[in-house]
Amino acid sequence: TQLLEQSPQFLSIQEGENLTVYCNSSSVFSSLQWYRQEPGEGPVLLVTVVTGGEVKKLKRLTFQFGDARKDSSLHITAAQPGDTGLYLCAGGVKTSYDKVIFGPGTSLSVIP
Amino acid sequence: DVKVTQSSRYLVKRTGEKVFLECVQDMDHENMFWYRQDPGLGLRLIYFSYDVKMKEKGDIPEGYSVSREKKERFSLILESASTNQTSMYLCASSSLTRTSGSYNEQFFGPGTRLTVL
Repeated sequence: TQLLEQSPQFLSIQEGENLTVYCNSSSVFSSLQWYRQEPGEGPVLLVTVVTGGEVKKLKRLTFQFGDARKDSSLHITAAQPGDTGLYLCAGGVKTSYDKVIFGPGTSLSVIP
Repeated sequence: DVKVTQSSRYLVKRTGEKVFLECVQDMDHENMFWYRQDPGLGLRLIYFSYDVKMKEKGDIPEGYSVSREKKERFSLILESASTNQTSMYLCASSSLTRTSGSYNEQFFGPGTRLTVL
């Protein structure tokens, strides 16, 4: 069974601080996606990384896929209250359909 | 932009009732999914469909059924609702067609928060 773990589970920081959240697995994934979910809403895709070692930047967010394609990190620089939400990582699995395994999420709260 | 809509944002039902959750997507996606989301458990796949009238069980199909009569619409049915089915239900869709730079990203609806009393 393929599982994704995320750490930390909860994170509360002050506006302006930097943070990193992690997504780990013992399995190899064909791609790794990060979603952000705001309270009462569905997840929204932020980025997809595909190549081992790949780094993608989205404004103040930096995403990295591990060399072995088993783990990923999300780094936020100078966090803002608008970054508050649940961050979900999801690993893509090559099957006959588009199977995606979701991690349990990291709940981030940025305090003004 | 892909738009996935769900019939209700909030729903309150009684134990034993039959419940229908509807999902519609407007991007001609082949794949559609139903998840439930519970605190600390993440998203768990209930059922998915990769074509009209096709359905496959996910990780937790017990107590649920689905229907896909049209490509854009995927329905989740709780034949006899129970209190342990109180949850957030999320519908998603994805395309089988791979354009440059695209992978198996899923696009989600806003969710239906179902409470079974």
